[in-house]
Amino acid sequence: GIQVEQSPPDLILQEGANSTLRCNFSDSVNNLQWFHQNPWGQLINLFYIPSGTKQNGRLSATTVATERYSLLYISSSQTTDSGVYFCAVGNTGANSKLTFGKGITLSVRP
Amino acid sequence: DVKVTQSSRYLVKRTGEKVFLECVQDMDHENMFWYRQDPGLGLRLIYFSYDVKMKEKGDIPEGYSVSREKKERFSLILESASTNQTSMYLCASSSTGPSSYNEQFFGPGTRLTVL
Repeated sequence: GIQVEQSPPDLILQEGANSTLRCNFSDSVNNLQWFHQNPWGQLINLFYIPSGTKQNGRLSATTVATERYSLLYISSSQTTDSGVYFCAVGNTGANSKLTFGKGITLSVRP
Repeated sequence: DVKVTQSSRYLVKRTGEKVFLECVQDMDHENMFWYRQDPGLGLRLIYFSYDVKMKEKGDIPEGYSVSREKKERFSLILESASTNQTSMYLCASSSTGPSSYNEQFFGPGTRLTVL
């Protein structure tokens, strides 16, 4: 099956700093999502981004499908950005299951 | 907004009990999924369903079964709960269709403890 690797596994930032989270995957996909898991365990959808670039406020993401990686950028980080960030990949259609990376734990210090 | 709900946030059961976890979505999605999440292992797919009464095994189906009698509801069943099934269980749903319709949306999760 598809392998998904996220890096770095842990990240500690001072409030206001910028960061880049990386997701590499082993096979071609046409579904890629980034999630933020809050302290209560809820997975929040950040981006659906199988290719291209998207921005939402301080967050943006870029996926280069031909090179099998995606990047999530967080600018001017805030303490509320803390949590675990997951990248998940898969394919579309009836068999649209996702394979998740192990996540990146981000801690933003005040 | 898409809404996926799960029947319990926290559940404590005893070894050998039969456990039902319920998931309901309100977006008329064809696909529904059950994952479990364990520290250091990320999310792993247990079962999924792409239509009523249809089911497919995921990566770790052993010890679990599922039921989908109605489109909006997908149940995960632990026939005889064991301590190694203590975990966070997450349900998700998605549509079948072109590109972005396949985005998956998750419920709040159920933390199951088996004693």
